[in-house]
Amino acid sequence: DTGVSQDPRHKITKRGQNVTFRCDPISEHNRLYWYRQTLGQGPEFLTYFQNEAQLEKSRLLSDRFSAERPKGSFSTLEIQRTEQGDSAMYLCASSLVAGLNTGELFFGEGSRLTVL
Amino acid sequence: QQPVQSPQAVILREGEDAVINCSSSKALYSVHWYRQKHGEAPVFLMILLKGGEQKGHEKISASFNEKKQQSSLYLTASQLSYSGTYFCGMTTDSWGKLQFGAGTQVVVTP
Repeated sequence: DTGVSQDPRHKITKRGQNVTFRCDPISEHNRLYWYRQTLGQGPEFLTYFQNEAQLEKSRLLSDRFSAERPKGSFSTLEIQRTEQGDSAMYLCASSLVAGLNTGELFFGEGSRLTVL
Repeated sequence: QQPVQSPQAVILREGEDAVINCSSSKALYSVHWYRQKHGEAPVFLMILLKGGEQKGHEKISASFNEKKQQSSLYLTASQLSYSGTYFCGMTTDSWGKLQFGAGTQVVVTP
């Protein structure tokens, strides 16, 4: 399977614990996004990378959230000191951006976080 | 900054048509449309770049009016498989981030 893969698919944690999600994009894709989605809402932008460079992080995102994409391949999203409000589906998507074209996004199945 | 979608929901009978609208307060470079079925990841439908083009995918088509900073998605002769939540995503330049609207839930009934 050469699609976008995310791990773990489900994570249940207690408030205050740290969690880390991993995303493996489609290999030739240079753009990688993290979104958060709650029930009945659209994907909320968290951050995105062009190769290994983090281009922007949402201003709505607290300092407890951090993301990396070392070597421009896989990416990790870490949430420190989780809160119940962090419970959501975390979606990763990748695309190939070249020239003037903004490529279509390919989404992973998501990592569902439940904070107790 | 988030695109504004309307309506929030629409219920159709098979064979009926519907229009979903998406607008932005900023000048746009591109508009993306995705469909998400319950419990699944969003799936790409089409991209429109500035220039006012119109695209189609079977009986689903879209238009982009860059002057009005609006896009519309047209569902023609709807099928049961069209049910799902439709999201528009917008970028303000070729390297900009893609931000999504809140979505429009479409239910097609027999």
